[in-house]
Amino acid sequence: EAGVTQSPTHLIKTRGQQATLRCSPISGHTSVYWYQQALGLGLQFLLWYDEGEERNRGNFPPRFSGRQFPNYSSELNVNALELEDSALYLCASSKRQGGLSYNSPLHFGNGTRLTVT
Amino acid sequence: AQRVTQPEKLLSVFKGAPVELKCNYSYSGSPELFWYVQYSRQRLQLLLRHISRESIKGFTADLNKGETSFHLKKPFAQEEDSAMYYCAPKMKTSYDKVIFGPGTSLSVIP
Repeated sequence: EAGVTQSPTHLIKTRGQQATLRCSPISGHTSVYWYQQALGLGLQFLLWYDEGEERNRGNFPPRFSGRQFPNYSSELNVNALELEDSALYLCASSKRQGGLSYNSPLHFGNGTRLTVT
Repeated sequence: AQRVTQPEKLLSVFKGAPVELKCNYSYSGSPELFWYVQYSRQRLQLLLRHISRESIKGFTADLNKGETSFHLKKPFAQEEDSAMYYCAPKMKTSYDKVIFGPGTSLSVIP
């Protein structure tokens, strides 16, 4: 099966600009997670979408937002970029969470490296 | 609040030695427990999950509900085990976020 794909691989932006990152989940997966992996900080939970709706959100400011499309692909938008937003952004997908699917593991993409100058 | 700790940021062991990567969690209720691994220049991937009681690449994980720990173990470390390991409990309820521990970097010395 095709894995989780993320685009672009690298993205360079200037402080104050907006960045859009994209994620295509594995076919049949309806849940999409976004994580930020900044240097030395591990994986920080950003957002979780399931069947088109935002289900949960991490401790990030509102300028981090996203959406999930009817085909379950997802987009992460970061507005008013700041230097500390420079990080690897990882997307993961899983089968629908809830009910008997709570134990479905996450499948990760290779990430988008965002650099803010 | 949900919290996951992995006390060792870095762990070095010699090839053939036993290895244990620790994970402690503080959750209300009984989460489902996962370990993920990231090898050099590869994507983060599932290593094992508690519910399936499986052993992957010789690794097992013991759940200690009393201590709320889910330590990862392997009796004889191999060089190819050098990687970053993350513990990730998940609540058995709908729409609860998956939080990852800070990770332990394992280095197996030949």
